[in-house]
Amino acid sequence: NAGVTQTPKFQVLKTGQSMTLQCAQDMNHEYMSWYRQDPGMGLRLIHYSVGAGITDQGEVPNGYNVSRSTTEDFPLRLLSAAPSQTSVYFCASRVGLPYEQYFGPGTRLTVT
Amino acid sequence: QQQVKQSPQSLIVQKGGISIINCAYENTAFDYFPWYQQFPGKGPALLIAIRPDVSEKKEGRFTISFNKSAKQFSLHIMDSQPGDSATYFCAALNSGGSNYKLTFGKGTLLTVNP
Repeated sequence: NAGVTQTPKFQVLKTGQSMTLQCAQDMNHEYMSWYRQDPGMGLRLIHYSVGAGITDQGEVPNGYNVSRSTTEDFPLRLLSAAPSQTSVYFCASRVGLPYEQYFGPGTRLTVT
Repeated sequence: QQQVKQSPQSLIVQKGGISIINCAYENTAFDYFPWYQQFPGKGPALLIAIRPDVSEKKEGRFTISFNKSAKQFSLHIMDSQPGDSATYFCAALNSGGSNYKLTFGKGTLLTVNP
């Protein structure tokens, strides 16, 4: 199993550009989520999904869009990048039980 | 509203010492409390987890202590090693909730000096 994979690993965007961060898992996990990590702020939940076709907002959803058309994939879209979206983004997945959450390696995004 | 409060923000320990990181929660519906370890440039990884039906869980040098009445839990790292230097996150989950969201603390940067 590859686990949770994320692409790209690094990305630089200009303000106003859009892009999609890719996330895939091969463990048949129902639950997937996106977090951003900023110094001193911990891991903040952006969006999550409890299954294909079902998504919901986390605590910091503004400026981001998600969809879940398959169990495996959960892309995160930045609609119009802003410098405040400079961060490290982690995708994660897990099953309902035993609740262990697996994180991807992260995408470091810089918006200039 | 921060539902899981973690302290300290940073911690420096000498090799062989005990590292202690504390977390407090507010939501009494939480019933699963994991700790995650994150090395620089990597994603967090599950280290150890506990349910509130036990007061302590030990895995090697890592121990979770849980105090249900105080709504607190802590991670103890015995015989701390330089390789333990990482950021540690506590988290909490309400498994009976409809959304299964993990609520994370803000993290503790642990440095173990040789």
